Amino acid sequence: DVKVTQSSRYLVKRTGEKVFLECVQDMDHENMFWYRQDPGLGLRLIYFSYDVKMKEKGDIPEGYSVSREKKERFSLILESASTNQTSMYLCASSLAGGEGGNTIYFGEGSWLTVV
Amino acid sequence: EDQVTQSPEALRLQEGESSSLNCSYTVSGLRGLFWYRQDPGKGPEFLFTLYSAGEEKEKERLKATLTKKESFLHITAPKPEDSATYLCAVQGGSQGNLIFGKGTKLSVKP
Repeated sequence: DVKVTQSSRYLVKRTGEKVFLECVQDMDHENMFWYRQDPGLGLRLIYFSYDVKMKEKGDIPEGYSVSREKKERFSLILESASTNQTSMYLCASSLAGGEGGNTIYFGEGSWLTVV
Repeated sequence: EDQVTQSPEALRLQEGESSSLNCSYTVSGLRGLFWYRQDPGKGPEFLFTLYSAGEEKEKERLKATLTKKESFLHITAPKPEDSATYLCAVQGGSQGNLIFGKGTKLSVKP
């Protein structure tokens, strides 16, 4: 079974703190993603990565950065957390390329509250 | 612009009452349409991938179908444990990321 593991399920951080959300996948997937999910807005893509040290902006990258130093690990960084970043964050991974779609598998999510 | 619209937003069924969820989409170069189930407080769980119009996939009480403009998730004789939010997403163009609909929240009462 595909396993995408998010290190923290629940976090409470103060405004202005630097926050790291860590994600590890065990299926040797090339692609990794970070989404956030908010009521009424659905899932929105923050950043994704097609390879080690590569990153691409998604739909809502402002206020976030990412790091992918190893193939299995993708980190989301909030440089200076703000209350409007309170949300559920979902990490995901998939195989790369191919004509057909590649299934994206999700982790359990990290609930971040910024106070 | 790629877009996914799911309807209804919420659906209440009695146990055993079959129904369908709709996912309408516009995408340039569909690579795949995906259905996920999401339980409260958890990440989406993969159900099906459909690649081309006319394709159907089944899993227990669920059956997904695909046309050129929409997909249906048919639920036959649902049980309370089928209660969840069902998400539809499309993958198009040259990139691997998904465009999600906002989901249909299904409640099945005993």
